[in-house]
Amino acid sequence: AQSVTQPDIHITVSEGASLELRCNYSYGATPYLFWYVQSPGQGLQLLLKYFSGDTLVQGIKGFEAEFKRSQSSFNLRKPSVHWSDAAEYFCALNTGTASKLTFGTGTRLQVTL
Amino acid sequence: DAGVIQSPRHEVTEMGQEVTLRCKPISGHDYLFWYRQTMMRGLELLIYFNNNVPIDDSGMPEDRFSAKMPNASFSTLKIQPSEPRDSAVYFCASSTTGGSQPQHFGDGTRLSIL
Repeated sequence: AQSVTQPDIHITVSEGASLELRCNYSYGATPYLFWYVQSPGQGLQLLLKYFSGDTLVQGIKGFEAEFKRSQSSFNLRKPSVHWSDAAEYFCALNTGTASKLTFGTGTRLQVTL
Repeated sequence: DAGVIQSPRHEVTEMGQEVTLRCKPISGHDYLFWYRQTMMRGLELLIYFNNNVPIDDSGMPEDRFSAKMPNASFSTLKIQPSEPRDSAVYFCASSTTGGSQPQHFGDGTRLSIL
């Protein structure tokens, strides 16, 4: 069965600093991969997705993610974090056999001014 | 375009009462998902539908929970009778067919059972 691991439960960064949130997956083939963000009191919003082609994917709000097959990873990055990026971030995969997503447990990002 | 619409946004009720949560998916989406989010258990998939038919309800916690999708534009999640441990945020999401298609989430219903 497939799984998604987000090893960091909580990360704190200073505003303006760079950010990398880790995501590792377990699946026998290349899955479809997604990053979602959840601001307090809101639903999950899609940041970006990977399904084929270029392994560096650009998303909204200045985020990008890189798919590395050899490491089974799909880490999310942002070169300069803004205070408004404070939220919870979820990595998810879909194996393509159904539209059901497998979510990681999330990483809560705190941004200090 | 309108996103996924959930109602009510907040619900506070007493233990034993029936609770009905509502969801309107994005027009044209043929998959609909119900999730529950708690601090302890994170995001859990309860049930999902394809073309109004329930496909997998293995995440529904107990017989007290039921979900219906009478048509392509409406779904309900019902809890009867409700218990304090059902307190959570319930999300509805919809998508089109295909593993590469993302799910689009509503803003959720925050349910508190006293």
